[in-house]
Amino acid sequence: DAGITQSPRHKVTETGTPVTLRCHQTENHRYMYWYRQDPGHGLRLIHYSYGVKDTDKGEVSDGYSVSRSKTEDFLLTLESATSSQTSVYFCAISAEPSSGANVLTFGAGSRLTVL
Amino acid sequence: RKEVEQDPGPFNVPEGATVAFNCTYSNSASQSFFWYRQDCRKEPKLLMSVYSSGNEDGRFTAQLNRASQYISLLIRDSKLSDSATYLCAVNMNTGGFKTIFGAGTRLFVKA
Repeated sequence: DAGITQSPRHKVTETGTPVTLRCHQTENHRYMYWYRQDPGHGLRLIHYSYGVKDTDKGEVSDGYSVSRSKTEDFLLTLESATSSQTSVYFCAISAEPSSGANVLTFGAGSRLTVL
Repeated sequence: RKEVEQDPGPFNVPEGATVAFNCTYSNSASQSFFWYRQDCRKEPKLLMSVYSSGNEDGRFTAQLNRASQYISLLIRDSKLSDSATYLCAVNMNTGGFKTIFGAGTRLFVKA
């Protein structure tokens, strides 16, 4: 299995507090992604990175920021958590896509509850 | 309109049945296509890529129709272990490669 770990795996926090989720990979893959998954919505892309310091927005980026200061780590930050950000967050990695192929390998997920 | 749409679930089928899932995508610049499987409370895992010529992996067959912007997954001889959520995924190059998922279709296979 690809080496990808997320931390924390579970977190309960209060509205208005900052939260940072970490995704760490040992595969030296260029691409990293953050998704959230909610019932009825499936996986929605928040932000993604295609290299160190290179990031772009996804479908639901409002309220989230990301940073990638080194290849192996991709951080997702909620500056001021809201109850609508209660979700399961998945990180994914992908090797350099060729011809558009971009197979993702996912971390185990981080379950965030905002009270 | 969502970029990737799937049949609403759940699908409830008996063991041995054949079941088909459909998925449509709206961005004609989409480049590659996949089906992922997700078990309850687990991460998604790649089931199979989808090629224009169609491809088969054991009991699973995937088809792509670029003209209609439609992909499908056929599962033959369903097993209890096939019970899961099946996610359609579309990869596109918008300066960087990003993958957009459908909401998923839940399958229950019953004895």
